[in-house]
Parts: sequence; structure tokens; C-alpha cells
Amino acid sequence: AQSVAQPEDQVKVAEGNPLTVKCTYSVSGNPYLFWYVQYPNRGLQFLLKYITGDNLVKGSYGFEAEFNKSQTSFHLKKPSALVSDSALYFCAVRDGGNFNKFYFGSGTKLNVKP
Amino acid sequence: GAVVSQHPSRVICKSGTSVKIECRSLDFQATTMFWYRQFPKQSLMLMATSNEGSKATYEQGVEKDKFLINHASLTLSTLTVTSAHPEDSSFYICSASGFQSSYNEQFFGPGTRLTVL
Repeated sequence: AQSVAQPEDQVKVAEGNPLTVKCTYSVSGNPYLFWYVQYPNRGLQFLLKYITGDNLVKGSYGFEAEFNKSQTSFHLKKPSALVSDSALYFCAVRDGGNFNKFYFGSGTKLNVKP
Repeated sequence: GAVVSQHPSRVICKSGTSVKIECRSLDFQATTMFWYRQFPKQSLMLMATSNEGSKATYEQGVEKDKFLINHASLTLSTLTVTSAHPEDSSFYICSASGFQSSYNEQFFGPGTRLTVL
């Protein structure tokens, strides 16, 4: 069965500091991993995805994520956080059998303080 | 590209009434649409998957007769909450995937806030 775990309910960082939002996964077969961001009362916006290729994936708004097969992790990172990055972040994995089905993590609330 | 809209964005209804939520893919053909439910401060719970022209596949625990899903065209899916009750109050989000996404990602609508009084 496919699943993702986001161990932190909340992450707090100061503006200008680097940020990391953690995600670990469990899949049978090759992982297809995604990060989405959600602002209050809004749907999810796509940030980036890993399908194959380079382990470091660059996405929207300066975010990047590192795929680590040995640690089964796909942490989201940004070198310098902005207050406007404060939002809810979801890691997701695509079902290997049913390619259309996604499994979402529990979400991590990112709070960037000025 | 890959824009998904939902209507209405917010709806308040009385207990016992039915509410229809529309999900549209504006600039691509969505062969598959998904309906999620999100409770406050929680993750998205997949309710059902619908493929254009066929019956929706519901997740375990989701009442088919309660949450009617129709995907009659490649750009429109509807979710009807029948005989709504206060416990149905939630944030409902649809997403879509299709040829443009190469089945690699889903594009999400802005969500619909349903409040049942």
C-alpha cells in the first residue's frame, strides 16, 4: 500500500532562514511523489514532483525537494523563507497500480515569522 | 493552463436539502476527476474517483446514495450532497487529471465550503 507521512504538524522559521518540511513515503514499486501548498480556504496548488531523474527537484516559488531512496524521504526545502510562504503543505504519492489515485500526508503548517 | 474551477465557492443550506457542487476543467479535457473532503486542520480525504462517461468509484465508508457524483463530459463533474445534515458541513475539493497532465499530476479546484444549518 502507498502512504506518506509528514511527522511535523507545524514548522516555524524566521524570514530569511532556510526551511525544511519533512516527508517520508512507503510505496511498492517506483515512487511518484508530489508537494502541494494550500492557502486558507483555497484548493491545493502544485509545487513540484519527482517521477524519475535527478534527485533534486526544483519547483515553483523557489521551492525544491530532495528525493532520497535509501531514507525513503522527499523533504521540501527553500533556502530563504518568506512570510508569504506561510501556508499548509501536503506531500503526496501516486498509487503505483492506479496511476490516478493520490495519497496525501496529514499536512504541515508552515509559519514564517518576520 | 490546467485550470479547474468550482462553483459555488461557498454554500449555506438547511438540513434536509440537497446541494450540487460543480467542478469544471477550463482548458483541458479531464478524463478523470476526483472529489475530496477536508475537515478543519486535516488532510484531504478522497471520497470518489470518476471517469468520464462511467460510474464513480467510491472509497470505503463513503455513502454512494448520499454523495452522488456525475461526470457526464470531459470538462464537468458534479457532486450532489443529498439530504444534507450538519455533519456534512466541510470543505469539498475537486481535482482533475487528463491527457495534458500525462497522468502525473492532479489539478485542484479552489474548493467549496458547505455549511449545513
